[in-house]
Amino acid sequence: KQEVTQIPAALSVPEGENLVLNCSFTDSAIYNLQWFRQDPGKGLTSLLLIQSSQREQTSGRLNASLDKSSGRSTLYIAASQPGDSATYLCAVRFMEYGNKLVFGAGTILRVKS
Amino acid sequence: SQTIHQWPATLVQPVGSPLSLECTVEGTSNPNLYWYRQAAGRGLQLLFYSVGIGQISSEVPQNLSASRPQDRQFILSSKKLLLSDSGFYLCAWSSFRAKNFGELFFGEGSRLTVL
Repeated sequence: KQEVTQIPAALSVPEGENLVLNCSFTDSAIYNLQWFRQDPGKGLTSLLLIQSSQREQTSGRLNASLDKSSGRSTLYIAASQPGDSATYLCAVRFMEYGNKLVFGAGTILRVKS
Repeated sequence: SQTIHQWPATLVQPVGSPLSLECTVEGTSNPNLYWYRQAAGRGLQLLFYSVGIGQISSEVPQNLSASRPQDRQFILSSKKLLLSDSGFYLCAWSSFRAKNFGELFFGEGSRLTVL
């Protein structure tokens, strides 16, 4: 069974800090990896999609990297703001599962002002 | 641009009553469509997915069913709700066309409380 693990489960940081969220997965045979943000009571918002042939993607203050061989991805958030407070989820589309994504349990981020 | 609509946003239903949640996607054709459930304190669970009209794959044996009567419409149903059906239901779509290849997009969710 393929799995996705996110560490840490929760993180609290002061405003302005740079931070890293980690995602690990059990098989290097993937199509892509996607990072999402979820605000309380809301749906998931896609942040970054990294295809298996790519090493990283950037959007504004966010940078996501992918290392398939080690089964890891990191989401880097620069100069964190209180508005970044949310749950961040990592999801992997394993080749074994085709159309389906496997989600991690998420990292709950709180940025204190 | 593509958008996804899901409704109702919130509903409270008695045990044993029927359920119908609807999801529509605009701005794309032949999307893959998904229903997920997110129970309190738990991760996302894939319930159903569809690659085309009338084609439904069920991931978890349960009290729910799904239908895709039109290309961009996905419906989640139940004939008789159980207490355990309470949760946050999310519809999503993805496409394998050149732009956003394989990227998954979610609706705003429907919160179901069964009493």
